[in-house]
Amino acid sequence: AQKITQTQPGMFVQEKEAVTLDCTYDTSDPSYGLFWYKQPSSGEMIFLIYQGSYDQQNATEGRYSLNFQKARKSANLVISASQLGDSAMYFCASFSAYVGSARQLTFGSGTQLTVLP
Amino acid sequence: NAGVTQTPKFRVLKTGQSMTLLCAQDMNHEYMYWYRQDPGMGLRLIHYSVGEGTTAKGEVPDGYNVSRLKKQNFLLGLESAAPSQTSVYFCASSSLNTGMQETQYFGPGTRLLVL
Repeated sequence: AQKITQTQPGMFVQEKEAVTLDCTYDTSDPSYGLFWYKQPSSGEMIFLIYQGSYDQQNATEGRYSLNFQKARKSANLVISASQLGDSAMYFCASFSAYVGSARQLTFGSGTQLTVLP
Repeated sequence: NAGVTQTPKFRVLKTGQSMTLLCAQDMNHEYMYWYRQDPGMGLRLIHYSVGEGTTAKGEVPDGYNVSRLKKQNFLLGLESAAPSQTSVYFCASSSLNTGMQETQYFGPGTRLLVL
């Protein structure tokens, strides 16, 4: 079974500064994937970034990067140059990559990020 | 290209009533999922489907049934609604990928209130 822990219920960051949102995961599977989703106040779930367990390099997508430390089982999201529109709930999620199975996501409890002007 | 759509967006039920939530995707995805999100929590998987005519239980399946009669549609049914089923319901879909990344794309959610 997968377990995701997000220990920061809320975070504040000044506009234009960088912020790191923490995520640790617990799995015994050798193949797995990690996702970050953004949920603004409007409620939709927006895919941000993906990291595979065998990926050698940390994933990056524009202002988002994933600091993947496999030995520590952490997959922190780094947002550079924060914008007011980044204010939202952020969820870390994982799946176990069994061949032929549906990729069932396990979610953390989320971090509410507030960007201050 | 609408992606994943959900019907209805909001519904109020009385205890014991039944209803069906409809999810539709136009991305030709093989996999579809139903999640629920309760206040202050992440999403939890209710049921999922790996293809037309197949369904399977997720983490919290009790009180729900699903059907996948067409590849593009995934229905979630509540036979006898209970206040504990008050939640926001999300549908998601993803494609079969021989690699690792199979991003799940989510619908806008359905807010359900059971009185």
